[in-house]
Amino acid sequence: QLQLQESGPGLVKPSETLSLICTVSSGSISSGRYHWGWIRQPPGKGLEWIGNVYYSGGTYYSPSLKSRVTISVDMPNNQFSLRLTSVTAADTAVYYCARQAGSGLDSWGQGTLVTVSS
Amino acid sequence: QTVVTQESSFSVSPGGTVTLTCGLSSGSVSSSHHPSWYRQTPGQAPRTLIYSTYTRSSGVPDRFSGSILGNKAALTITGAQADDECDYYCLLYVDSDTNWVFGGGTKLTVL
Repeated sequence: QLQLQESGPGLVKPSETLSLICTVSSGSISSGRYHWGWIRQPPGKGLEWIGNVYYSGGTYYSPSLKSRVTISVDMPNNQFSLRLTSVTAADTAVYYCARQAGSGLDSWGQGTLVTVSS
Repeated sequence: QTVVTQESSFSVSPGGTVTLTCGLSSGSVSSSHHPSWYRQTPGQAPRTLIYSTYTRSSGVPDRFSGSILGNKAALTITGAQADDECDYYCLLYVDSDTNWVFGGGTKLTVL
C-alpha cells in the first residue's frame, strides 16, 4: 500500500524559507498516472491546496501562493519537495503531501506541523 | 477569485440521511470540475471518500455516495453513525488558472 511521509523542520523564522520533503514508499513517483501534491491546514481552519508536480517536472500552483512556492521531484530518491519563501505567521500550518490523480487526492501523508516564529 | 462553497455546519440524527453540497461562487458544478470529497477527524489526516464525482475510494462503505444535484456537487450519507461526526471537505478543479480549490468544509454533527 502506498505510503507518504513528510519531513522537515518544525520551526521556521519569519522571512525565511520553509522546506519540506515527502518520501513515497510502496509506489513509484515516476508513475505517469499521478501528480504529487502539497496541501496545508492552518490551526483550526480548513484545507488549502498548494500545488502539485508531475514526475517530468511540470508544476501547477495555487495562484495565491504561486509567487512564493516551488514544488519539485527527486526521482532517484522517490521524493518530492516543497519550498515556500518569505514565510510569515500566516504560513503556520500542518502541511500534508498527497498523491493526486486527475480526479482527486487518493493517498495522504500523516502531516507535519510547521510553525513560523522567531 | 472563484470560491468553493460548502455549508459551514449540518446536523443529522443517528440513522438518518444527510446531503452536503459543494458549489461555485460563479457558475455551476459539473463532472468536469472533478469533484472529490474528504472527511477529517480532529488531529488526523483527511481521508478520501469520493473522487470523480461518484466513485468511492477503496474501503469506503456504500453509505457514502457522490452526485451532481442541480448546480452543485453533493455527498449523501445514509444511515448516519456517531463516528460520521467530523469535518467534510470537497475539492474542485476550477480552471487552468486557478487549478484546484477546497471548499471551506462542513462540520457534521450527529445527534
